Amino acid sequence: GNSVTQMEGPVTLSEEAFLTINCTYTATGYPSLFWYVQYPGEGLQLLLKATKADDKGSNKGFEATYRKETTSFHLEKGSVQVSDSAVYFCALSPYNFNKFYFGSGTKLNVKP
Amino acid sequence: DTGVSQDPRHKITKRGQNVTFRCDPISEHNRLYWYRQTLGQGPEFLTYFQNEAQLEKSRLLSDRFSAERPKGSFSTLEIQRTEQGDSAMYLCASSLAGGAGANEKLFFGSGTQLSVL
Repeated sequence: GNSVTQMEGPVTLSEEAFLTINCTYTATGYPSLFWYVQYPGEGLQLLLKATKADDKGSNKGFEATYRKETTSFHLEKGSVQVSDSAVYFCALSPYNFNKFYFGSGTKLNVKP
Repeated sequence: DTGVSQDPRHKITKRGQNVTFRCDPISEHNRLYWYRQTLGQGPEFLTYFQNEAQLEKSRLLSDRFSAERPKGSFSTLEIQRTEQGDSAMYLCASSLAGGAGANEKLFFGSGTQLSVL
């Protein structure tokens, strides 16, 4: 079956710290992988994506690399800001994009 | 582009009552999804439409739940005889699938928060 497991939060960091949020997946076939972000009071929005093995998705200083050998898609940022405080969801979609599977979310708190 | 809009934002109802939510997707999007999210969890798939056709329905969706997208534009999600376990955030998302310019990016609405007392 298809599922996503991500590290539990909350994750609390000081501004300019390095961020890693772990995400591993189980999937049939060759899925696309995504990170979505939910800022306080807002709907989920796509942060980045990767559609095949070894692809790197990047946006707003965040990066994640599609690792087929370890079935992982860890989210990283070199220097977080207070404005990055949000809930981050890892997700996958099977090849035909008829359904998306989300992890349980990781809350990030960045302190000034 | 006005984004995906959902109505109402909040709904409080008594157990046993029926409720209906509405979703207006981005106008050119042909796919529309309904998800449910409970506190501390990620969105769970409920159902999706390609144009007006409902192509898949999750086993999570009991017979008390029904969704429609009659003209391939807006969609409604109805819950009959609500139960306390139905309390959750109901999210709608849309995407453009298939054909030129297609991509798999989901655009989410802000959701309808249902509280069943």
